[in-house]
Amino acid sequence: GAVVSQHPSWVICKSGTSVKIECRSLDFQATTMFWYRQFPKQSLMLMATSNEGSKATYEQGVEKDKFLINHASLTLSTLTVTSAHPEDSSFYICSARMIQGLSYNEQFFGPGTRLTVL
Amino acid sequence: EDQVTQSPEALRLQEGESSSLNCSYTVSGLRGLFWYRQDPGKGPEFLFTLYSAGEEKEKERLKATLTKKESFLHITAPKPEDSATYLCAPNRDDKIIFGKGTRLHILP
Repeated sequence: GAVVSQHPSWVICKSGTSVKIECRSLDFQATTMFWYRQFPKQSLMLMATSNEGSKATYEQGVEKDKFLINHASLTLSTLTVTSAHPEDSSFYICSARMIQGLSYNEQFFGPGTRLTVL
Repeated sequence: EDQVTQSPEALRLQEGESSSLNCSYTVSGLRGLFWYRQDPGKGPEFLFTLYSAGEEKEKERLKATLTKKESFLHITAPKPEDSATYLCAPNRDDKIIFGKGTRLHILP
């Protein structure tokens, strides 16, 4: 149980284009999903928190107009990197938090999406 | 300001050589502490939740413990497949605060 998928697993795009990454909770409902970015040999940095049906909350320093987040259902959140530039190249990871029984706040992570912007 | 410090940054052990990883934390509004394992190029894999000081959890060769200021991940008789980065993650109401991790390498 508690499986989170991401699609695509990797993507290469040209500078200036937009890229959408999907995050799905496969076997549970997630009212809250989180998006992280991880640079090589560094820890995960939280970018934003999204709650189903409401606007995402972005961490300080993260441009909301550049990283568009939509959480349209209890099992799907999307991150769109708009007008991507080489400095946006990174490993993007989503997580989902289930609210079920006593395990109400563990976050379960997707496998990550490697974005390379040329 | 919330702080999470993991030590050592990296650790090389021989197969079968037991050791402990440390996580020191100062986090306001703490609601438990998570441990994750992360393999290169993959997302973190959930290992344990510890909710209160004195609590212990075990899974195979791993045991996690919690005090008011620290958490320890003990690894007993590790195998090469235990090689990974282990992340300590104190949990607040609104988010997890990740440490930088300990890169563990088990030599056969």
